[in-house]
Amino acid sequence: NAGVMQNPRHLVRRRGQEARLRCSPMKGHSHVYWYRQLPEEGLKFMVYLQKENIIDESGMPKERFSAEFPKEGPSILRIQQVVRGDSAAYFCASSRGTGGFGYTFGSGTRLTVV
Amino acid sequence: ELKVEQNPLFLSMQEGKNYTIYCNYSTTSDRLYWYRQDPGKSLESLFVLLSNGAVKQEGRLMASLDTKARLSTLHITAAVHDLSATYFCAVDSSNQFYFGTGTSLTVIP
Repeated sequence: NAGVMQNPRHLVRRRGQEARLRCSPMKGHSHVYWYRQLPEEGLKFMVYLQKENIIDESGMPKERFSAEFPKEGPSILRIQQVVRGDSAAYFCASSRGTGGFGYTFGSGTRLTVV
Repeated sequence: ELKVEQNPLFLSMQEGKNYTIYCNYSTTSDRLYWYRQDPGKSLESLFVLLSNGAVKQEGRLMASLDTKARLSTLHITAAVHDLSATYFCAVDSSNQFYFGTGTSLTVIP
């Protein structure tokens, strides 16, 4: 079992470009969560998805950010027209069900906007 | 909004000493999680505390939960350099985890 796989590990984008972050959940997990960690801070919830559905996006910025979890393939967190303030580590977690049990984090994608 | 507060934020301690990290949270929750994060790495699950009075120990780390006081502690016994990392507590509510700000621990030889 390969665990939660995120790629790329590191991503550098110029201001105004798009960033696409991918997350493949653990085998058998159908719940995916995205968190953002700014330097020297804790993780902040962004969005919770199940296959083909966004369940809770209360932590997502209203503009430029979107997430999907298609029937086939990984979950994608997409940031359009990136700005310097988007530089952060983005972590994905997956679980089999709700309630925090079996919640496993990926290794994260470190986005740097130059 | 649910708040999770940790203290201290920074902790420098000598090898062999004991210390406690505190985690307060602002909502009723029966589940409290402790994670460890090394620089540039992901979060490693340390403990899941599922009920009031729960106590778990792994090596030099022991975690406890008092749901009435909304307080969890992470006690470090006879610290060693390998324990240097950032430690986060978290509670889960409404499909998401709420994380504390983290305690950056440095163990000095």
